[in-house]
Amino acid sequence: DAGVTQSPTHLIKTRGQHVTLRCSPISGHKSVSWYQQVLGQGPQFIFQYYEKEERGRGNFPDRFSARQFPNYSSELNVNALLLGDSALYLCASSRDPRSGNTIYFGEGSWLTVV
Amino acid sequence: GESVGLHLPTLSVQEGDNSIINCAYSNSASDYFIWYKQESGKGPQFIIDIRSNMDKRQGQRVTVLLNKTVKHLSLQIAATQPGDSAVYFCAETDSGGGADGLTFGKGTHLIIQP
Repeated sequence: DAGVTQSPTHLIKTRGQHVTLRCSPISGHKSVSWYQQVLGQGPQFIFQYYEKEERGRGNFPDRFSARQFPNYSSELNVNALLLGDSALYLCASSRDPRSGNTIYFGEGSWLTVV
Repeated sequence: GESVGLHLPTLSVQEGDNSIINCAYSNSASDYFIWYKQESGKGPQFIIDIRSNMDKRQGQRVTVLLNKTVKHLSLQIAATQPGDSAVYFCAETDSGGGADGLTFGKGTHLIIQP
C-alpha cells in the first residue's frame, strides 16, 4: 500500500506569491494533519482535518489555510509568502484523530521563498 | 500545548553498541507518545509508540520506556547500525481528539562511529 504522498516535492516561490501543497493520506485514513518544519527544528503543528472538517489549528497566521476533500486528500494554502515561510511542509495521516492512532508522515514538500 | 524537550542535541555511539535517547515532556495531560526517525531530506518515519497506561514497549531492536512520575521518555536502540544514523524526535499528544496535533522536541542527532 502507498504511504502518505505529497506534491510537489520541491518548489521555489517569490515573496508575496501564494502556494498550494497537496497530500493524499494512506488508504483508509480519514484524518490529515499539516506540519511546518524549519531547518534544524522539530515539526510544528499547523492544521488537523477529519471528515472534511477542521479539528485543530496551531499557532499560525491566517495566511495559512487548508481543506480536506471527500476522498480525504488535503490541500494546504499559504498566501502572501514571506521569506520565513521557507520550510519543509509535512503531511501526516491517521485513521482518526483520537490519541493512540498511529500517525504516519509523508516525505514533505520543500518550499523555498526568495 | 506545552513543549517536549530533549536532553542532548547530539549522541555519538560506536557501531554495535546500544543507544539511549532521552526525552522530557511537561504536559501532564499527554497520554500518547511516539518516536520518529528522520533521515536527511526525508519525512519523519514512525519507529515505536507507547500509551500512558504502559511503562515499556518493545519493537524490533527498539524499546521505549515511559516514566510518568518524572515525565521522561527514552528510546533504546540495540546493536546500533550505520543505518540508524538520523535525527530522532519524540512527540506527544493528549486525548483531546488530537486537536492540538503532535508536539515535537528539537531532536537528537544520532551519529554512529565505525
